[in-house]
Amino acid sequence: NAGVTQTPKFRILKIGQSMTLQCTQDMNHNYMYWYRQDPGMGLKLIYYSVGAGITDKGEVPNGYNVSRSTTEDFPLRLELAAPSQTSVYFCASSSAGQDYEQYFGPGTRLTVT
Amino acid sequence: RKEVEQDPGPFNVPEGATVAFNCTYSNSASQSFFWYRQDCRKEPKLLMSVYSSGNEDGRFTAQLNRASQYISLLIRDSKLSDSATYLCVVRGAGGYQKVTFGIGTKLQVIP
Repeated sequence: NAGVTQTPKFRILKIGQSMTLQCTQDMNHNYMYWYRQDPGMGLKLIYYSVGAGITDKGEVPNGYNVSRSTTEDFPLRLELAAPSQTSVYFCASSSAGQDYEQYFGPGTRLTVT
Repeated sequence: RKEVEQDPGPFNVPEGATVAFNCTYSNSASQSFFWYRQDCRKEPKLLMSVYSSGNEDGRFTAQLNRASQYISLLIRDSKLSDSATYLCVVRGAGGYQKVTFGIGTKLQVIP
């Protein structure tokens, strides 16, 4: 099992550009999450999904969009990138009923200049 | 007051030392508690759950004090490989969307 995979690992965007961060898990987990982690700050939940076709906002959803068409995939879309979106983005998944045990992907380091 | 507060450190300790971290939480209705470990520039991984009665996993002991609203992590006989950031995680009422991560406490074990 690969677990949770994320692409790309690194990306530099110019202000106003858009991009999609990809996330795939092969553990058949129902729950998936997107977090951002800034230096000196805890992980902040951006969006989460409890199953295919179901998504909901987390703590910091502004400037992002998600979709969940399959159990495996949970892409995060950044529209009109801003410097405030410079961060490390982690995707995670967990099984229903064990949401505290989240399996994280390796992260995407995004810089917006 | 932040939902979950941790001393960011760093805690620099010699190999073989015992070190303890505390984490306080603000919501008395919080239901469950965990410690995650995050190595430098890596993803977080679950280290252990924290039970009301306390629990031990090898050199690691986690305890919960509901009255004072804090959890602790004790590491005995520190190894170089224990160097990492330890994230306190609190799960509140309401399930998955109320899992809150602390900023983490950085531990550096020195030879």
